[in-house]
Amino acid sequence: NAGVTQTPKFRILKIGQSMTLQCTQDMNHNYMYWYRQDPGMGLKLIYYSVGAGITDKGEVPNGYNVSRSTTEDFPLRLELAAPSQTSVYFCAVQGASPASPLHFGNGTRLTVT
Amino acid sequence: LAKTTQPISMDSYEGQEVNITCSHNNIATNDYITWYQQFPSQGPRFIIQGYKTKVTNEVASLFIPADRKSSTLSLPRVSLSDTAVYYCLVGDMDNQGGKLIFGQGTELSVKP
Repeated sequence: NAGVTQTPKFRILKIGQSMTLQCTQDMNHNYMYWYRQDPGMGLKLIYYSVGAGITDKGEVPNGYNVSRSTTEDFPLRLELAAPSQTSVYFCAVQGASPASPLHFGNGTRLTVT
Repeated sequence: LAKTTQPISMDSYEGQEVNITCSHNNIATNDYITWYQQFPSQGPRFIIQGYKTKVTNEVASLFIPADRKSSTLSLPRVSLSDTAVYYCLVGDMDNQGGKLIFGQGTELSVKP
């Protein structure tokens, strides 16, 4: 039972390149989230999803896209990487029972140069 | 959703009790309060959760006054390994999967 798996762990991109950050869960939870965390700062919500086929914007969605075709997967897409997107990206899942806590993955550290 | 405010940083010594307070003045009736701990290079992990009064588990206690406009995370007898960032999060019990916004967190430094 892996919980929440994020790949890759590390990535260096050049400005203008694109990539997809993968997030997969085996907890069968409906709710999934993407956060970014800049060095020394708190977590900022990028996008979230309440179930397959449904996504919504968080606090800082610009420059990112998401899709949710299955319960298990919630990939985050960067189309034109910019240095401002250098950050650690965390995926989290949440169960449907009232007040279910968030379970986080181990993060993807992205550097854009 | 209720906005949360916490002290940016706190210092303590090993063996002391540490209390971290979070303000959430506009908390709604259906909102619950959850605290998370984050170590460097790791995702946050759940510590404790409550709705009102006091909750205790094996690692911490959570005190919530009657008006619920604040909450206090209490860590008994901290050790060096408790050095981390602590976040409080307010969420809607009846609307799971909502827009969960973290505050700035409190960086706790435990010294020997």
